[in-house]
Amino acid sequence: AQKVTQAQTEISVVEKEDVTLDCVYETRDTTYYLFWYKQPPSGELVFLIRRNSFDEQNEISGRYSWNFQKSTSSFNFTITASQVVDSAVYFCALNTNAGKSTFGDGTTLTVKP
Amino acid sequence: SQTIHQWPATLVQPVGSPLSLECTVEGTSNPNLYWYRQAAGRGLQLLFYSVGIGQISSEVPQNLSASRPQDRQFILSSKKLLLSDSGFYLCAWSQVVRGGRVSYEQYFGPGTRLTVT
Repeated sequence: AQKVTQAQTEISVVEKEDVTLDCVYETRDTTYYLFWYKQPPSGELVFLIRRNSFDEQNEISGRYSWNFQKSTSSFNFTITASQVVDSAVYFCALNTNAGKSTFGDGTTLTVKP
Repeated sequence: SQTIHQWPATLVQPVGSPLSLECTVEGTSNPNLYWYRQAAGRGLQLLFYSVGIGQISSEVPQNLSASRPQDRQFILSSKKLLLSDSGFYLCAWSQVVRGGRVSYEQYFGPGTRLTVT
């Protein structure tokens, strides 16, 4: 069975602080994909990044960076110099089955001005 | 480019009334399609997914049903709504990786806020 754990239910930071959102996954499959999604207050989920199980390279996109470590089954997401617009619910997800993905319960990030 | 449409955006329905939510995808073929429900302040609950026309998998027992009459159309229905059916309903699509074992990221529609009164 697959499982995604986002232990941080809520995080609150002040603007310009760095913040890391944790994601730990469980699967017995050797081929899988990991994802991060952002859900702003408007409600629509937005895809941020995909990582496959064979690529452990970390990735940076502007203020966003992702750290994928198979040894610890983690796929953490860091926002550098956070901004108020980063306030949202962030979901980590795992796909090992063509039919469906397993989502974490989400982390609510609040960035205060 | 691909787009996904959902309607209506908001809906207020009395208990016991029927429901029909529609989702259509443009710009892709043979997508996987999904229906999720999100209660206020909660995570995503997968309700149904479909890997092809007429192929529906149900994830939770409930009074909802889904149908896929066309490749890019996915419908969520109920004959009689319950108060517990209130929530934010999201439709999504994804492509299957060649070989078919896993799928890529999901792209979500704007959602429907359903309030059952």
